Amino acid sequence: GAGVSQSPRYKVAKRGQDVALRCDPISGHVSLFWYQQALGQGPEFLTYFQNEAQLDKSGLPSDRFFAERPEGSVSTLKIQRTQQEDSAVYLCASSGLGGRLNEQFFGPGTRLTVL
Amino acid sequence: GNSVTQMEGPVTLSEEAFLTINCTYTATGYPSLFWYVQYPGEGLQLLLKATKADDKGSNKGFEATYRKETTSFHLEKGSVQVSDSAVYFCALRGSSNTGKLIFGQGTTLQVKP
Repeated sequence: GAGVSQSPRYKVAKRGQDVALRCDPISGHVSLFWYQQALGQGPEFLTYFQNEAQLDKSGLPSDRFFAERPEGSVSTLKIQRTQQEDSAVYLCASSGLGGRLNEQFFGPGTRLTVL
Repeated sequence: GNSVTQMEGPVTLSEEAFLTINCTYTATGYPSLFWYVQYPGEGLQLLLKATKADDKGSNKGFEATYRKETTSFHLEKGSVQVSDSAVYFCALRGSSNTGKLIFGQGTTLQVKP
């Protein structure tokens, strides 16, 4: 596709439910990032993939958060036993080689509301 | 650790006014600096960037200069338009190999006709 796509765009979950958020990066982009954006705040880094390898997961807030990118393309962010504090917009971004020198292109985000 | 601080908003200006949004940073090494913009209902878009000290990034009439001596990257535009109304985020990318971005909290700009 032309840009980064994310699905679903909106997700409402009851506290304790598991959710899965999908990211389709720009075709051929090696690097993929997940960010969490709380209301009225800037995005905060969660995790980074280079191809299928998860090279940095230092931003994941707890072991309830899990991300994967098994074939080096589509990525899924899973949140188990959701809590109200997980309510946020989850952004995915992709970039070309290495991620260090190239622009990150962001998707529209998934707005998660935990009731 | 690395961090970014932006001036709090909202900033409300009349059309054709001069805009400054302040951004300062704390980082080790030699970070790259960015301004991203988020228009209503849209995703984050890169506005401009600078990768080394004294570089000036520019795009769509916006400018920002990487000032290492003052650890700043202030965003400026000489004459704003209603269409510039958006949330602006300052960000840095540190010297690590992952390329992750560290964002400020965002500044909302509202331009009135």
